[in-house]
Amino acid sequence: EVQLVQSGSEVKKPGESVKISCKGSGYSFASNWIGWVRQMPGKGLEWMGIVNPADSSTRYSPSFQGQVTISADKSISTSYLQWSTLKASDTAIYYCVRHNRLDLTRWLDPWGQGTLVTVSS
Amino acid sequence: QSVLTQPPSASGTPGQRVTISCSGSRSDIGSNTVNWFQQLPGTAPKLLIYGDNQRPSGVSDRFSGSKSGTSASLAISGLQSEDEADYYCASWDDSLYGWVFGGGTKLTVL
Repeated sequence: EVQLVQSGSEVKKPGESVKISCKGSGYSFASNWIGWVRQMPGKGLEWMGIVNPADSSTRYSPSFQGQVTISADKSISTSYLQWSTLKASDTAIYYCVRHNRLDLTRWLDPWGQGTLVTVSS
Repeated sequence: QSVLTQPPSASGTPGQRVTISCSGSRSDIGSNTVNWFQQLPGTAPKLLIYGDNQRPSGVSDRFSGSKSGTSASLAISGLQSEDEADYYCASWDDSLYGWVFGGGTKLTVL
């Protein structure tokens, strides 16, 4: 079974750093890009960026460029999303998702279970 | 403000057919295929439709997708109480070189 399993919830204070993870299993991790999606409380889905585990290249949404760092370690089938200086507005659920592509067709599946990051003083 | 435009809400009674629209532009829906996701309360999004109108294995055939130009639609037939959820459309954007999402539609089964 192809699945992505994310790390557990985090509670941090403003100004602190955090790194959350997403481990893939059931497929060749380096064969598919991994994307990250934010969902703020009661809000919709927002695309943050994507990493190619094969060469660790990344692409960010303009809204998140410079705000977060996305990375991957193909040797342990894991992608990461990290912040160096958290703000209260970073409070959200963060999902990782596998990007699939066949010819001109792209799809996002499966999704990780989500990691809740709470930033509060 | 989301790149793709969806109505914030939709509703129907059990057994009815409802449709949810998704409007985009030439660089996203107009050039790439559309995904639809269902998000039940407190859970991660689940892929319902990809390639504009393809259902992954295990997804009920009550769900169907269509696309014309820069707009897409999700249709749910034989509405059931368990269909009450948030639905999102998404598409790859060639200009952004990333995914764009709709703002989501909250479906209520009356």
